Amino acid sequence: SQQGEEDPQALSIQEGENATMNCSYKTSINNLQWYRQNSGRGLVHLILIRSNEREKHSGRLRVTLDTSKKSSSLLITASRAADTASYFCATDASNYGQNFVFGPGTRLSVLP
Amino acid sequence: GAVVSQHPSRVICKSGTSVKIECRSLDFQATTMFWYRQFPKQSLMLMATSNEGSKATYEQGVEKDKFLINHASLTLSTLTVTSAHPEDSSFYICSASQYSGTSGLPSYEQYFGPGTRLTVT
Repeated sequence: SQQGEEDPQALSIQEGENATMNCSYKTSINNLQWYRQNSGRGLVHLILIRSNEREKHSGRLRVTLDTSKKSSSLLITASRAADTASYFCATDASNYGQNFVFGPGTRLSVLP
Repeated sequence: GAVVSQHPSRVICKSGTSVKIECRSLDFQATTMFWYRQFPKQSLMLMATSNEGSKATYEQGVEKDKFLINHASLTLSTLTVTSAHPEDSSFYICSASQYSGTSGLPSYEQYFGPGTRLTVT
């Protein structure tokens, strides 16, 4: 299976609820990044978390990284209908530096 | 933040023709650009890595003679789909990387273009 696998594949929640998405990977990494993609659009960079970091925040987003478990989570608090999108994690392998590997993504639907 | 543009955003072409897609980094220089392909409801699959002034590195299973990549300058990379067929219809996305290493750890942030929807009829 590929590096960077998101879980769940699809998530449907009500507006105002929190959404948690997980990403697992297999090899060691330099950093892990989360992206959002609205249907038929390009990717928007959300957060980069380095391998020596455990948690980062950006607005309503909180990302954690557990290198011992090779996993990361993205938490969106107080979700809004506009958060409806696909979310991807991408891992940056240690020795290469620039070659990202994307997981299959989580499709988040926030219902008004 | 860094901006990457792609042109065209949508293109429809007939089977057998060639299509060129441009990827530009607008406010930074990118020594490396990447080309991805994305099928509906699937993730991005890396097709090739494009380095300025040198030949592109293609991922396994990607035909280099069919997907021609040229990275002529630090701000422009082009992908040409030659002799396009309906199965080449897809969403093509480019990205440009910018070094953002701090705390002694090298890191590259990739900035993505808005994508090009290719439909081959």
